Amino acid sequence: DQQVKQNSPSLSVQEGRISILNCDYTNSMFDYFLWYKKYPAEGPTFLISISSIKDKNEDGRFTVFLNKSAKHLSLHIVPSQPGDSAVYFCAARKNYGGSQGNLIFGKGTKLSVKP
Amino acid sequence: DTAVSQTPKYLVTQMGNDKSIKCEQNLGHDTMYWYKQDSKKFLKIMFSYNNKELIINETVPNRFSPKSPDKAHLNLHINSLELGDSAVYFCASSRRAPAYNSPLHFGNGTRLTVT
Repeated sequence: DQQVKQNSPSLSVQEGRISILNCDYTNSMFDYFLWYKKYPAEGPTFLISISSIKDKNEDGRFTVFLNKSAKHLSLHIVPSQPGDSAVYFCAARKNYGGSQGNLIFGKGTKLSVKP
Repeated sequence: DTAVSQTPKYLVTQMGNDKSIKCEQNLGHDTMYWYKQDSKKFLKIMFSYNNKELIINETVPNRFSPKSPDKAHLNLHINSLELGDSAVYFCASSRRAPAYNSPLHFGNGTRLTVT
């Protein structure tokens, strides 16, 4: 069962516009959420994170929003640049039970930013 | 300077063989991980070691055995390879144990193909 869902496998955006990547989760016990970015033939790289006690975290062009009641988070990239074209993974941390700290990843959304 | 390096990058082998994937990190991190990305693109944790001690062991067949000779290395040995083992395997490290807010640093992956 998918505990972290990224329902859009791909997203295409024009350069300079806003990219919004969405992620839904099912487990209310998740306490920390992260976004990773992955280029082809490379490993994922950490982008931005948010604790469950916050609803927004901003780092430059990247902002993550968390709506706990809806179990939904989103990543906003403004303005989008061609170099942002990559696969974006949402991840949630399971900090309970026998596997404390285990990250549960979504399937990823492929973002294409067109010049 | 590669922070998390894993070898080989590609590994093609026949069913029934035994193979190893090596991983080294030069970040001085305490914790290392193995993740598997299957054909459905899910990234799933397999193992985690903190200071050479196993702290996360998800449901992984006994044919998979991690070995951590020191905290900078976490190797993955796979016995009696099966077709379903074909995947991309990512090594990762983090500064502290996963229960803390330490982002993961991933290697570039090893694509294992079992024929």
